[in-house]
Amino acid sequence: EIVLTQSPATLSLSPGERATLSCRASQSVSSYLAWYQQKPGQSPRLLIYDASNRATGIPARFSGSGSGTDFTLTISSLEPEDFAVYYCQQRRNWPLTFGGGTKVEIK
Amino acid sequence: EVQLVESGGGLVQPDRSLRLSCAASGFTFDDYAMHWVRQAPGKGLEWVSGITWNSGGTGYADSVKGRFTISRDNAKNSLYLQMNSLRAEDTALYYCAKDSGNSLHYFDSWGQGTLVTVSS
Repeated sequence: EIVLTQSPATLSLSPGERATLSCRASQSVSSYLAWYQQKPGQSPRLLIYDASNRATGIPARFSGSGSGTDFTLTISSLEPEDFAVYYCQQRRNWPLTFGGGTKVEIK
Repeated sequence: EVQLVESGGGLVQPDRSLRLSCAASGFTFDDYAMHWVRQAPGKGLEWVSGITWNSGGTGYADSVKGRFTISRDNAKNSLYLQMNSLRAEDTALYYCAKDSGNSLHYFDSWGQGTLVTVSS
């Protein structure tokens, strides 16, 4: 099973600041990695797939990069609605696995 | 608009069974693989199981293998999860999730979830 480790667990930032979230895989997942956003009481939403492709309707301030074992989700300038929990997920191997999540909170 | 509506959750005793259903609409159901993903209270996401468009392939998390069975009925636009030998650690909100393609294995639409509580 591929283990995904996200860091930091919590990121405290102010609106307008840049957020950088990390996801590290226990073995190479090539570019087969996605990012999701989940707000309290809501279902997750797909943001990025195949490491760097924005899903339909996702604003350009969200970007993804990386390949192999190290990946980054960047939010260029935080909007109030971006404060949420973010998860990475790999599809390189079954079982599909998620990272433990990074909570982006208002400082 | 894609809609996924889960049902069948509830309170169940350990070692008993429960069957979850997911009614899909707003897309061509038999063009897509489908999945179940769960989230224990206050915890992260865990993929549970997936099934290809024609039921030709299925996969399970190690934590549920041998106890849970995924199935689908394309004529009814429905996805199912038969859960046997339930344990306390199966307590979670169970989401039905649409694959972003035919076995691309990302999840581009999610239901609101159905809560399963395993307790005596």
